[in-house]
Parts: sequence; C-alpha cells; structure tokens
Amino acid sequence: AQSVTQPDIHITVSEGASLELRCNYSYGATPYLFWYVQSPGQGLQLLLKYFSGDTLVQGIKGFEAEFKRSQSSFNLRKPSVHWSDAAEYFCAVVPKRGSTLGRLYFGRGTQLTVWP
Amino acid sequence: EPEVTQTPSHQVTQMGQEVILRCVPISNHLYFYWYRQILGQKVEFLVSFYNNEISEKSEIFDDQFSVERPDGSNFTLKIRSTKLEDSAMYFCASTGDTGELFFGEGSRLTVL
Repeated sequence: AQSVTQPDIHITVSEGASLELRCNYSYGATPYLFWYVQSPGQGLQLLLKYFSGDTLVQGIKGFEAEFKRSQSSFNLRKPSVHWSDAAEYFCAVVPKRGSTLGRLYFGRGTQLTVWP
Repeated sequence: EPEVTQTPSHQVTQMGQEVILRCVPISNHLYFYWYRQILGQKVEFLVSFYNNEISEKSEIFDDQFSVERPDGSNFTLKIRSTKLEDSAMYFCASTGDTGELFFGEGSRLTVL
C-alpha cells in the first residue's frame, strides 16, 4: 500500500545537538517530497521540497533534507538545533501520477522537544 | 507577509448541528484546499477547489460536506450535520503559481 512513514513519534534533543528526522515513503515512482513544520498555535509551514535534481535540498531555518532513492527516504537534518525548533514536523508526498500537486499525503508527524 | 486566515479558531457544537468554517486565502491565489487532522492521526486531504468548482475530493468528503467561495475572498467548508467523528482540526490552504501550499492556523472543531 502507498504510505508515508515517520517512524519516530517523539524525539528529544539538547540545544546545539544535531538532528535527523526520518521519513520513508512507499510509492511506485518517486513522488514529490516535502517537509512541513507546525509550531504550537501555528499553521503548517513548508521547510523544503524535492521535485528532482540535486538530492540534497536546502530549506529555511537551517534545515536540509537528503533524498535517497535506494532507501525510499527523505530524512530531514539540522546540524545544530535551537530551542525555537521545538515543534511538530511532517513529511508529505504528492504522487507523480494521478494526483494534483496540492493533494499532499502526510506522515503522522514527529514531535521535537529541545532541552536547554 | 501574506497569510491564510481561518475562523473560528475553535468551535464547539452539538452532534447534528451545521457548522461553517471560514477561510480567507492569500489574495492572488487561485487554488484552495481543506485538510483535516483528527487528534493523533495524520493530516488528511479533503477537497481542492479551483475556478469555482471542486477539482478533486477524497473519500472522506461525502455528501455531508460542501465548499463554497461565496465572494471574492472567503472560502468556506460546511458540514451539514456534524457527527462525533468530525471532531478534528481543519486546515485551509491556498496556492498560487509556485505550487507551494500556504496553510492557515487551523480551526479546531469539537462535536459533543
């Protein structure tokens, strides 16, 4: 079945530590890939996206993500986490076939807690 | 910075009542969407709307749901007769030429 999996429901890191949030997808062809962040009381904000080309994608707020076709993964990384990064992070995809660009399929989200 | 705004931020209603959730998309955007997130579950697509008609809808979007763009600025989601399982956070989104979705902060609906 087609799916987007974020295996970590909750991650806690110390401020200044590195971060990697995992995302795997299961689709026949590589979909369009996205990471969104939701801070408390806020809407979903796009961090970065991958459509094609360079497999390392830079986003806002110092985040990057690497697309690995062999692993069907699109993991989000940040070298040094700030307390303001505490939020919920969502991986999302748009299948390339049979779907409009605005129809996102989301993972369940990973809640990030940052210790001072 | 332009943003998508949603009202109300929280609505409590009795089962069987009609609810209208309102959204003001970004002014030059042409594509509009509703998503929902039931507590503890994934964010799910409900419907997309373009050129004053539904362009795509999910299996969730049954006859109890309707969308409308009553004027040049508002985009509404109506639930005709709410059920307990309609309790969720409802997100409106809009997009322009870039295809990037801009989401509102959400409207939390609680059905008692």
